Amino acid sequence: QLQLQESGSGLVKPSQTLSLTCTVSGGSINSGDYSWSWIRQPPGKGLEWIGYISHSGNSYYNPSLKSRVTISVDRSKNQFSLRVGSVTAADTAVYYCARDRAASMDVWGKGTTVTVSS
Amino acid sequence: DIQMTQSPSTLSASVGDRVTITCRASQSISSWLAWYQQKPGKAPKLLIYRASNLESGVPSTFSGSGSGTEFTLTISSLQPDDFATYHCQQYNSFPYTFGQGTKLEIK
Repeated sequence: QLQLQESGSGLVKPSQTLSLTCTVSGGSINSGDYSWSWIRQPPGKGLEWIGYISHSGNSYYNPSLKSRVTISVDRSKNQFSLRVGSVTAADTAVYYCARDRAASMDVWGKGTTVTVSS
Repeated sequence: DIQMTQSPSTLSASVGDRVTITCRASQSISSWLAWYQQKPGKAPKLLIYRASNLESGVPSTFSGSGSGTEFTLTISSLQPDDFATYHCQQYNSFPYTFGQGTKLEIK
């Protein structure tokens, strides 16, 4: 059974870079025609799609995060990663990674809380 | 961006009730819509994809319908485990966007 697990810095200072990794287990990140997504949820608010990296390695990002976001993949480690630069308190959220099968996100990680504070 | 608007924002119902949640898109999204269930402190769980397709393992009491700009999620007979927040998401165009969520509460 495919599982995803987020890991990374839980506390980030303003203006610094948030870095998270999603480790895929129980299957290969290379199998199937899937994309790999990041989604976040600020406290008490709704879900926001951040972006994804496709099976072919193309990345698509939400313009709301402008040029601050990078999603990359390390296929040898069965991982994909998220970096968000120049963070502010507005980036405080639970961050989820998920598998995107082109009409829905069918497998999600449990989520990791990131707090931006000095 | 395509705006997704859910109604109602909060819904109070009892076990055994039939409930319907509506999701409206600001422009046509064909059938590129998914529904998720989220419980407090947990990740969302996929219920319905492509507007009306039931995800494997999801009870048949859940159903989805609609196309274009108006969609509904129906729970035919509420069970205690169904009290949660429900989110719709459009997949028609980037950036993918979610509705604000509908919280289903016990009456």
